[in-house]
Formats: sequence, structure tokens, C-alpha cells
Amino acid sequence: KNEVEQSPQNLTAQEGEFITINCSYSVGISALHWLQQHPGGGIVSLFMLSSGKKKHGRLIATINIQEKHSSLHITASHPRDSAVYICAVRWGGATNKLIFGTGTLLAVQP
Amino acid sequence: ETGVTQTPRHLVMGMTNKKSLKCEQHLGHNAMYWYKQSAKKPLELMFVYSLEERVENNSVPSRFSPECPNSSHLFLHLHTLQPEDSALYLCASSQDWLNTEAFFGQGTRLTVV
Repeated sequence: KNEVEQSPQNLTAQEGEFITINCSYSVGISALHWLQQHPGGGIVSLFMLSSGKKKHGRLIATINIQEKHSSLHITASHPRDSAVYICAVRWGGATNKLIFGTGTLLAVQP
Repeated sequence: ETGVTQTPRHLVMGMTNKKSLKCEQHLGHNAMYWYKQSAKKPLELMFVYSLEERVENNSVPSRFSPECPNSSHLFLHLHTLQPEDSALYLCASSQDWLNTEAFFGQGTRLTVV
């Protein structure tokens, strides 16, 4: 079992829909990252958060440290949002390493 | 454009070849990383360099050899690879390797034949 679990693994939505991607983790963390990976491989950092909520444009990320859970929301989804969304946690242990989820493949259809 | 540039973008090599992947960042970051991304698996951290010194080596086979000649450049030297080494190799950098945001390159798609 991976220390970082994402759900769903695959998601298809219609343009304009509100989308939620979930991330649960089992280790103590110092920070959580949401990343976006487009076809072709490049990864872009969307958010880094350690508490509460952050918003950037149509994207909202929340984290509940007690429940070890984070969500990424996309409002008014658009086909250009189609990508793999990856949750990664920075482990609070000695090596401070990033542990990645397997990603959620999102396809937004026009 | 994240400020991290990887070359080449695609590479096909035979099992007896020797090749190198290159990563370059001019963000003034002190830490650089190599990750491997295989299909349906989470990103796997391979190596971490901080201030040009290797600080983490995650049980990577010796056929992968990293080199960090300065804080802006990171190489991954490849020799006698196996087909199962075919994957996307991603480079990243961050201000330091403790709790700061990482910036990723576009990756090199490696196919070993």
C-alpha cells in the first residue's frame, strides 16, 4: 500500500463541471504539494500547503492535517485542465523526502 | 516554462550504449533532483544534490551515475541499461532540499531497446 493514495485514479468530466480530486496519506508530513503533469511529461507545481486552504484562479486546495487528507478542486472546468494531477507529501522524518501518489488522470470533454 | 531545462527530450538507446541526460536551471536554486516515472507508478526519487554534494541516493543501480559539476547543472550518466529502465526521467530543483517548492523539467523519455 502506497503511503499516499489518490482518488479517483481516472476522472472524466464535462466542461464547466466542478471537480474534486482527493489525497490521503498515512505519514506525518511537513507540507503537501499538488502538481499538474501534462501529456509530454512536464510537471508544474500548483500548490504547496501545510494548513488550511489556498486558491489560485479556478483552483482551490485544502488540507486537513488531523484527518491526513487534502482535496484539489477545479471550478468551471475546461478541456485545457485535462492532465494528470499528482499529490505529494513532504515526509516529516529525517530525510524530509517527497512521497508521491500515483496521480489522477483528468479528462475534461467539451 | 518552469526554468528547468532537460535535454534530450527523447532518447532511444541500446543496452550496450552509454548516454547522458542533462538538466540545467538558472533559478539560483541549491538543490537538484533526479526522478524516475514509470507507467502507473508514483515518481521515484533517485538522487538529491544539495550545494553540489549528493545528499540522497535511493538504492539506485550503479548503471545510473549522477554528476553535479556546479549548482546549475546536473547530469545522469547511463550505461548498460536494461529494457525495464525505460521510463520518463524528470529533473527538478528547489531553493534548498528542506521543505521548499520544487520546479520540474519537461523530462526525458528514455527507451532502452
